[in-house]
Amino acid sequence: EDQVTQSPEALRLQEGESSSLNCSYTVSGLRGLFWYRQDPGKGPEFLFTLYSAGEEKEKERLKATLTKKKSFLHITAPKPEDSATYLCAVSPGGSEKLVFGKGTKLTVNP
Amino acid sequence: DAGVIQSPRHEVTEMGQEVTLRCKPISGHNSLFWYRQTMMRGLELLIYFNNNVPIDDSGMPEDRFSAKMPNASFSTLKIQPSEPRDSAVYFCASSLRQGPTYEQYFGPGTRLTVT
Repeated sequence: EDQVTQSPEALRLQEGESSSLNCSYTVSGLRGLFWYRQDPGKGPEFLFTLYSAGEEKEKERLKATLTKKKSFLHITAPKPEDSATYLCAVSPGGSEKLVFGKGTKLTVNP
Repeated sequence: DAGVIQSPRHEVTEMGQEVTLRCKPISGHNSLFWYRQTMMRGLELLIYFNNNVPIDDSGMPEDRFSAKMPNASFSTLKIQPSEPRDSAVYFCASSLRQGPTYEQYFGPGTRLTVT
């Protein structure tokens, strides 16, 4: 069964305090791994797609990496506006569907 | 460009009533997805279409749920009869299946409350 586990469930950081969010997955033939950001009352917002182990992508203070069984979302010097729930999802081979983890709720205090 | 449009944004109904949720995907996208989000289960796929054809409906909870996509710019998700356990946020997403890239873009969601 395709499954995604994210940790921690919640993370509180001080502004400027860098950290990483974790995503572990089991999937039948990984087609792609996705990171989304979700603000309260809104739909998930696409951040990154990673396709193969060793791949890295960056956007502003965010950097996503992929290994064979895990992905990491590293946040460098976060700001309060980075506060949100970050969702990790995998797309199994042969399908376009996304299987989501339950997310990490990030709070960045000023 | 307009994003994915969903209506209504909020729906409150009584148990046993029919509920219809609507979605307009991003123009030019050829895949459309319906997801449901709850605190307990997170975000789960219900059904998806490619070129208006249902491809995977294995996530549809039971026969009370049905989805249609009569054309490339419109889809509906219907619940009949509705039950309190159907209370959730329902998201529609669309993507352009083209080569290796196929990220999904989500609408703002419909918050459904069944009393």
